[in-house]
Amino acid sequence: NAGVTQTPKFRILKIGQSMTLQCTQDMNHNYMYWYRQDPGMGLKLIYYSVGAGITDKGEVPNGYNVSRSTTEDFPLRLELAAPSQTSVYFCASSPRDSGNQPQHFGDGTRLSIL
Amino acid sequence: GQQVMQIPQYQHVQEGEDFTTYCNSSTTLSNIQWYKQRPGGHPVFLIQLVKSGEVKKQKRLTFQFGEAKKNSSLHITATQTTDVGTYFCAVPFGTGANNLFFGTGTRLTVIP
Repeated sequence: NAGVTQTPKFRILKIGQSMTLQCTQDMNHNYMYWYRQDPGMGLKLIYYSVGAGITDKGEVPNGYNVSRSTTEDFPLRLELAAPSQTSVYFCASSPRDSGNQPQHFGDGTRLSIL
Repeated sequence: GQQVMQIPQYQHVQEGEDFTTYCNSSTTLSNIQWYKQRPGGHPVFLIQLVKSGEVKKQKRLTFQFGEAKKNSSLHITATQTTDVGTYFCAVPFGTGANNLFFGTGTRLTVIP
């Protein structure tokens, strides 16, 4: 199994441009998450989804949008890129079960906005 | 909101020395997870602790959950260069969806 797959791996954007970070998982996990990780820092939750058609804001949602049309896919949209959004973006998934379950992470997208 | 402090922020050790990182919460936790992130890599789940006073071992790694379920530690015995990376604790927050709040991490450097 591929697990969680993110594309692209690297991207450079100009200020004001928009782009979509793709994330797909083949583990049939209900829960999916988007995090950002700034250099030398921990992970901050941007958005999460408990299943197809259901999304909700995390800790740092401003400047981002998400959708969840299928169980497998959870794309993250940046509409008007700003330098503050330069970061590494990780997508993760976990199964739905009682109690907390481990999260499985993709390899990340390294995004620079100049 | 959830507050979890992780110390130290950085640790440099000679290969073969021991290493410990600590995670402290202001509130009682239902459980705590630990993740490892190699340089340039993604976080990888190591373990989850649930019970008060729980101790779990994975080879040279020992994980402890405090009696009050407000703190946890990860201890590595006789570090190796393969232990290099950042170790994060993560605690539940919010409602549903298994959301996690990640600590700031401890970056471990092992000097050969």
